[in-house]
Amino acid sequence: SQTIHQWPATLVQPVGSPLSLECTVEGTSNPNLYWYRQAAGRGLQLLFYSVGIGQISSEVPQNLSASRPQDRQFILSSKKLLLSDSGFYLCAFQREGETQYFGPGTRLLVL
Amino acid sequence: QKEVEQDPGPLSVPEGAIVSLNCTYSNSAFQYFMWYRQYSRKGPELLMYTYSSGNKEDGRFTAQVDKSSKYISLFIRDSQPSDSATYLCAMSGNSGGYQKVTFGTGTKLQVIP
Repeated sequence: SQTIHQWPATLVQPVGSPLSLECTVEGTSNPNLYWYRQAAGRGLQLLFYSVGIGQISSEVPQNLSASRPQDRQFILSSKKLLLSDSGFYLCAFQREGETQYFGPGTRLLVL
Repeated sequence: QKEVEQDPGPLSVPEGAIVSLNCTYSNSAFQYFMWYRQYSRKGPELLMYTYSSGNKEDGRFTAQVDKSSKYISLFIRDSQPSDSATYLCAMSGNSGGYQKVTFGTGTKLQVIP
């Protein structure tokens, strides 16, 4: 069966520091991968998606970037965090013709 | 107008009640309709997934899709305190070669013992 992992689970970072969140998927190959941010009361905002290694599409302009160095690895990064980057970050994968399955999420607090 | 509208609640019901959660949408190109359950501080968990209009039942859960009215529902029978969570509706359609999923903002449900 497929599983999706995210780490760290929780992160507290100062403003201006770098960020690296990692997502890995097991049990499937060539999935579509997604990064979402969920703010309280505002639903899920799609940040990036990837249909293959090295292929990244950004949905909204922001202080973040994403990379997919391997088929089942998706990384969310920032060079300098802003207060507004705080939130709950969710990674999801999708196999062709199916719906999305989410990871456990990373709670980021920027102080 | 948002593509997907969902009442944020909160919705509070007694244990054993029938719960009805609803979403409306405006994009007639949506093909797949999903319901996710999200417990506090956890990732969303897929509950139900349907492609066509009509009803789909899984245990105490029934998903209903009415494409002509652009309206979907999730019914929970014999609700339990463990059903207390936020329920997200989601819909997808083909967008530039991948299935773009649009989510509702979620309805917070509390089942009182």
